[in-house]
Amino acid sequence: DGGITQSPKYLFRKEGQNVTLSCEQNLNHDAMYWYRQDPGQGLRLIYYSQIVNDFQKGDIAEGYSVSREKKESFPLTVTSAQKNPTAFYLCASKAGSNTGELFFGEGSRLTVL
Amino acid sequence: GDSVTQMEGPVTLSEEAFLTINCTYTATGYPSLFWYVQYPGEGLQLLLKATKADDKGSNKGFEATYRKETTSFHLEKGSVQVSDSAVYFCALSDQIQGAQKLVFGQGTRLTINP
Repeated sequence: DGGITQSPKYLFRKEGQNVTLSCEQNLNHDAMYWYRQDPGQGLRLIYYSQIVNDFQKGDIAEGYSVSREKKESFPLTVTSAQKNPTAFYLCASKAGSNTGELFFGEGSRLTVL
Repeated sequence: GDSVTQMEGPVTLSEEAFLTINCTYTATGYPSLFWYVQYPGEGLQLLLKATKADDKGSNKGFEATYRKETTSFHLEKGSVQVSDSAVYFCALSDQIQGAQKLVFGQGTRLTINP
């Protein structure tokens, strides 16, 4: 079955450590996105990539970094510069020709101790 | 810039009640509109969508009509079930700074009691 796989589902990190969240898709989608979700808030866009080897900052990119070396993969690194990293992180992808519908992974919950 | 405003939650209803979750939007272009649903501990799933004015999206008994004159996309269901308990997000998709982006509302938590 095609879909988006995020790992790990739960992750704990000490302050000052970087952590990388994995996102893999086998939908052959061109565009991929990372969103952050906090309790009682909507989704906020961190980074997005419309094509391999290219990515753009979203609304809250500070303290995060990404890479897009392969079409299937769009990992997100939460760096020690991110002031409030505890959140639920969602990866999504979109085919190039559709009307904007996103397909989401099941999310990764990061807790900083 | 583009934005989406949803009615504040949480919303609590009894089973078989009628549901409305209000959603209004602001957009400079001609966006597509979506409702996504998020069950506890999971990612978002597309519930329904509408791509142009007066379109009605429907799925699993839920409906929403794209109203350009009132810039609204309210979600309705005639008879809710306990299994409908989830967080519902209204969203629009528009070309923003050369890229297709989704802008989400803040979400409305719905709880259905038996």
